[in-house]
Amino acid sequence: QVQLQESGPGLVKASQTLSLTCTVSGGAISNGGYYWSWVRQHPGKGLEWIGYVFYSKNTYYNTALKSRVTISVDTSKNQFSLRLSSVTAADTAIFYCARGVRRAYFDDWGKGTLVTVFS
Amino acid sequence: SYVLTQPPSVSVAPGQTARISCGGDDIGSKSVHWYQQKPGQAPVLVVFEDSDRPSGIPDRFSGSNAGNTATLTISRVGAGDEADYFCQVWDGDSDLVLFGGGTKLTVL
Repeated sequence: QVQLQESGPGLVKASQTLSLTCTVSGGAISNGGYYWSWVRQHPGKGLEWIGYVFYSKNTYYNTALKSRVTISVDTSKNQFSLRLSSVTAADTAIFYCARGVRRAYFDDWGKGTLVTVFS
Repeated sequence: SYVLTQPPSVSVAPGQTARISCGGDDIGSKSVHWYQQKPGQAPVLVVFEDSDRPSGIPDRFSGSNAGNTATLTISRVGAGDEADYFCQVWDGDSDLVLFGGGTKLTVL
């Protein structure tokens, strides 16, 4: 079981870019076999998959967010990152990083970080 | 696009069996995964690939999937099982990961 920890600003100004990093411990991202993922949850609402990245840097995004999302991986730091551009209040959410198994399910999750978009 | 439908809430008395459904068109042809989320906490995988349990998840949690409905069954329900439960699939046609809207389980 790996541990994942999200980090980044808790407040982002509208129209700016949200940037978060997930640090993975207890296992190397470069070992392969997993899809390193971002999922968000609007306050009091359900879960929304944002996208994931493979250690080879292949990426897969939710089509609803694809034009604004970039997920990248830094195997030397054992981290992966999320950038979401042109944010609005509708992007206020708890953002989770998670480990995806075979592009199917998520077996380990970070604790989540709340990002609030303000104007 | 593919939609997963869950009842907003399910209530059950302690010691009884809770069944939470997840509906979708021919969902039986997909692999369904279930997560438990308690207030203020991250989701936890409780069932994967329809009916398998991760290590550490009690065998009171079980899953099934056929036709247009997948079901998470929790037997001998206790207060500690109160949580939101989400089903999830990967839809190969759209190449999307999809979650159901979630079901709040209340133990009476």
